[in-house]
Amino acid sequence: DTGVSQNPRHKITKRGQNVTFRCDPISEHNRLYWYRQTLGQGPEFLTYFQNEAQLEKSRLLSDRFSAERPKGSFSTLEIQRTEQGDSAMYLCASSFTRELFFGEGSRLTVL
Amino acid sequence: QQQVKQSPQSLIVQKGGISIINCAYENTAFDYFPWYQQFPGKGPALLIAIRPDVSEKKEGRFTISFNKSAKQFSLHIMDSQPGDSATYFCAASFYSGGSNYKLTFGKGTLLTVNP
Repeated sequence: DTGVSQNPRHKITKRGQNVTFRCDPISEHNRLYWYRQTLGQGPEFLTYFQNEAQLEKSRLLSDRFSAERPKGSFSTLEIQRTEQGDSAMYLCASSFTRELFFGEGSRLTVL
Repeated sequence: QQQVKQSPQSLIVQKGGISIINCAYENTAFDYFPWYQQFPGKGPALLIAIRPDVSEKKEGRFTISFNKSAKQFSLHIMDSQPGDSATYFCAASFYSGGSNYKLTFGKGTLLTVNP
């Protein structure tokens, strides 16, 4: 499968714990995006990488969130001190042109 | 501030019927308008997209109609099938620097096609 891969697919954690999600984009894609989707809503932009450089962060990305893309390949999204409001689907997308290709997402449940 | 407004929130259509979903945008800088299809537990999948220099684009049973002056665009699904039952999202983007073409999504339309 050469699509966007995300792991883990599901994560259940207790409030206050840290979680990390990984995204492996389509290999030739230099652009990588993270989105958050809550139930009944459309995806909301969180952050954007071109190669290894993080070029834009949404105001939705609080100080507890950090994203990296070392060497311009895979990316990680870490949430520290999780809160119940962080419960959502975290989607990764990659692109080479204007067409964004999404992974299947990582669903986070914070108890 | 919701930049892309989508309606209806839900839609029920009989098999073989036409499904129509509408979107309106505010930012005139938007210059790329895709539609995504999402099944439960899956990520959004690109269905069809249009740029504002054309008024209509058709791919198979899916057609986008675009009205630049009204800042509206719509998705038409002809001969709707039960397998089309999914959530559909309209989106829009513009170049925001650094090769960033981030998408702004509507809230989605849950389409149910009855057999």
